[in-house]
Parts: sequence; C-alpha cells; structure tokens
Amino acid sequence: SAVISQKPSRDICQRGTSLTIQCQVDSQVTMMFWYRQQPGQSLTLIATANQGSEATYESGFVIDKFPISRPNLTFSTLTVSNMSPEDSSIYLCSVGQLNEQFFGPGTRLTVL
Amino acid sequence: KQEVTQIPAALSVPEGENLVLNCSFTDSAIYNLQWFRQDPGKGLTSLLLIQSSQREQTSGRLNASLDKSSGRSTLYIAASQPGDSATYLCAVNGNEKLTFGTGTRLTIIP
Repeated sequence: SAVISQKPSRDICQRGTSLTIQCQVDSQVTMMFWYRQQPGQSLTLIATANQGSEATYESGFVIDKFPISRPNLTFSTLTVSNMSPEDSSIYLCSVGQLNEQFFGPGTRLTVL
Repeated sequence: KQEVTQIPAALSVPEGENLVLNCSFTDSAIYNLQWFRQDPGKGLTSLLLIQSSQREQTSGRLNASLDKSSGRSTLYIAASQPGDSATYLCAVNGNEKLTFGTGTRLTIIP
C-alpha cells in the first residue's frame, strides 16, 4: 500500500488569505485525488490531478478557488484561495493503486 | 448520479458483541467497493476492498460482503473491542472516482 504524507497537518488562517497543502507519496502514481470533508460530513471529491495535464475538477469546484499542481509522479499541491470560514474542513489527498485508494492523514484547516 | 447511504448513522454496542454495518448504493455499475475507518480528526484507513466480481472479503475479525445487483454491502465485525470505536465509511468506485457514504459512528462500550 502507498504511504502518503501531508503538510501542514493543521493550520488556522485568516479570511482572505490562501493556504497551500502539500501531498507526498512514497511511490510513483498516475492519479492523485483531493477531497474535502466539511465538519460532520462525508468526503467530497474536489479534483483529480494527473501528472503533465490540467487537473479535472468536480461540479461545484473551480480552479481559481482550488488551484492544483502536479509537477511529478510523487507530489501534488492544493491551494485554498481567498479563504472564508466556509472553507474550514479537513482536506485529504489520496492515490489509487490497483483500483484501491489510499489516503493521507489530512490537513485540518480552520478559517477565522 | 451515484448515491451512497449508510445505516445506522450511529451505533453503540457492548464490548464482545458481533455487529453489522450497512451500505447501499443506487448505481450498480461499479468497479469495486471499499470500507474505510476514520478516527476523529484523522485520515482514512482502508479496511477492505471488494471487487465488483467478488461476493465477500475477510480480514481478521472483519468480513465485508457485496451484492451488486441489489446495491448493498455489509461490514461484519466479530467480537468487537473498544479499539474498534471509530467512524466507518463505505465508498463505491465508479470509473476511478470514489463516492462516499454518510458514515456510521461506532462506539464500543467497555
């Protein structure tokens, strides 16, 4: 199984600022996924990031708000831009290997 | 659009009991189904993966079944322990995208 790390593990930010979350995988993977888990809710897919191409965003999520980078096969970043309190969530990255998905520990974001 | 529902939303049982968590989904065109465990404020731990062609998978005290035609899966936990307390999520995989259920918050009472 893939081992995934995320930085930061948590942060408290002021509204209007931006935060970049990093995701590192211990092996090369084709697809990386970014999810959001709002308080008391289940996970919602934000976007799929493939190396060498633009990320594919799900309905309700846009690149201006959640820009994603995927510079190589082991790393990706998600930026939460112009934050508001509604962005307070846990953000998780995941990777797929042999049709099974593995998740990082998540980044807990609080926006004041 | 795939919808995944988990019943019950919360469950409390005494230590040592066997229990069943339920997951239902609306679109049977799935590649596989995964059960995850999530501890409070943490990421997800994959427990079991069932391919669409399989009927069940077992890992230790956990057994997951899949009835694709009826859109249902169950997670059976035998001889529950306090360390099993967590939220359990099922997720169906359609075309590499996971759709998550609402989760069951399980509490095992010592």
